[in-house]
Amino acid sequence: DTGVSQDPRHKITKRGQNVTFRCDPISEHNRLYWYRQTLGQGPEFLTYFQNEAQLEKSRLLSDRFSAERPKGSFSTLEIQRTEQGDSAMYLCASRGLVGERLYFGPGTRLTVT
Amino acid sequence: QKEVEQDPGPLSVPEGAIVSLNCTYSNSAFQYFMWYRQYSRKGPELLMYTYSSGNKEDGRFTAQVDKSSKYISLFIRDSQPSDSATYLCAMSGGGSISSGSARQLTFGSGTQLTVLP
Repeated sequence: DTGVSQDPRHKITKRGQNVTFRCDPISEHNRLYWYRQTLGQGPEFLTYFQNEAQLEKSRLLSDRFSAERPKGSFSTLEIQRTEQGDSAMYLCASRGLVGERLYFGPGTRLTVT
Repeated sequence: QKEVEQDPGPLSVPEGAIVSLNCTYSNSAFQYFMWYRQYSRKGPELLMYTYSSGNKEDGRFTAQVDKSSKYISLFIRDSQPSDSATYLCAMSGGGSISSGSARQLTFGSGTQLTVLP
C-alpha cells in the first residue's frame, strides 16, 4: 500500500497522560499536514511541514502539542497532559510538489477518559 | 462566522435521485475548490477538484463553482447506496507553496448523505 499510513488507528488514554501518533506520508511527498476532526465537523488544520521544517502552526496547536518530522519523512504528533477536549480524530495528509490534492491517511482516533 | 459554511444535513434520498450539496465561503482568496468523501471512521478521499469558476464533470458527479457568489455545489446523478457518506467541501488559495506557505485546505463541516435502496 503506497498511501498515507497512520499508527495507531485507535488510542484510549486517561486524562493527564501523554500520547504520540505517527504518520508515514506517501514516499515522494515532501509536504505533510496534520488536521484534527471532531464529531460532526470538518477537519481543522493543525500544522504543516515542508521536508523537515515546520512552517506553519494553527492557533489550535496549544503548548501541549508538539509535532516533528526529523528526517523529512515520517512525522510524529505528541500531546502532553491530555484533556478530554483532545478527544478527536487526528488526520495526517501529504501533498506532492505540484497540484492541490491532499492525500489523507485513515486517521488516529483518540479517546481521553 | 466560519470561512466555509456547509449545509449540515443529514440528507436522505432514494436510490436514483439527484443529490445537490452546497457550500458558501467568505474568503475571496480561495481559488481551489474540492469535494472530499468520507466514509465512517475513514480519512477523507478526494472526489472532485476545480480551479476557479466553472463546471467540472466526472461520471455521475458534477462540481460547480461560482466565485462571484462565493458558492460551490456538487451534484450526484443516479445516486447509489454506495454513495452514502459524509461529503466535505474544501478550499484553498493564496500564498505560494514554493515560498513555504502551507496553502492548507479549509473544510466545511460536512453533509451526511444516506441513499436508501
